[in-house]
Amino acid sequence: GEEVAQTPKHLVRGEGQKAKLYCAPIKGHSYVFWYQQVLKNEFKFLISFQNENVFDETGMPKERFSAKCLPNSPCSLEIQATKLEDSAVYFCASSQSIGGTSSYNEQFFGPGTRLTVL
Amino acid sequence: GQQLNQSPQSMFIQEGEDVSMNCTSSSIFNTWLWYKQEPGEGPVLLIALYKAGELTSNGRLTAQFGITRKDSFLNISASIPSDVGIYFCAGQLNNLFFGTGTRLTVIP
Repeated sequence: GEEVAQTPKHLVRGEGQKAKLYCAPIKGHSYVFWYQQVLKNEFKFLISFQNENVFDETGMPKERFSAKCLPNSPCSLEIQATKLEDSAVYFCASSQSIGGTSSYNEQFFGPGTRLTVL
Repeated sequence: GQQLNQSPQSMFIQEGEDVSMNCTSSSIFNTWLWYKQEPGEGPVLLIALYKAGELTSNGRLTAQFGITRKDSFLNISASIPSDVGIYFCAGQLNNLFFGTGTRLTVIP
């Protein structure tokens, strides 16, 4: 598609439950990024993919968080055993390329999934 | 991680006024970008800057990439009510490092 699509728009989970978020990048974009925006509007990079391969996972919490981008499927971000501090808006972005300086590196964002952990 | 300091944190301005916000970093970036975020939406790219010293305009928006590659400013001229939102600078290496945002309120 022409836009990054994210589902669901809102997700409410009890503490300890699993949460799974989905992202469909723009068609033709090889790179997918996940960012977490917390209440003070701060963005935190989580993980990026080049097609189905993890490109950079330096921002991913070591425990409980996992992500995948499988061929012919939406990318997913999964949180096992959610905690209160996981409450945030999770954004997916995609770009055609990465590295250097080029308009092909521009990242386009989806509308986000608001996760509320009670 | 990379720290981007964005100022001011918030601005209340009269419709028609010009706006200026800036971003500084302790690190060098290949690319600087400015995004606008409205409530319930994802960030939307406004301007991308690729070369140190580059000055780029997009309608009423003008942005510059600092010579040191560690700073950038965004100007909005003749503000209108629909300019309301949160503006973020972002430095790009591979992934993006965002500033803390400037919340703009335009009073009609």
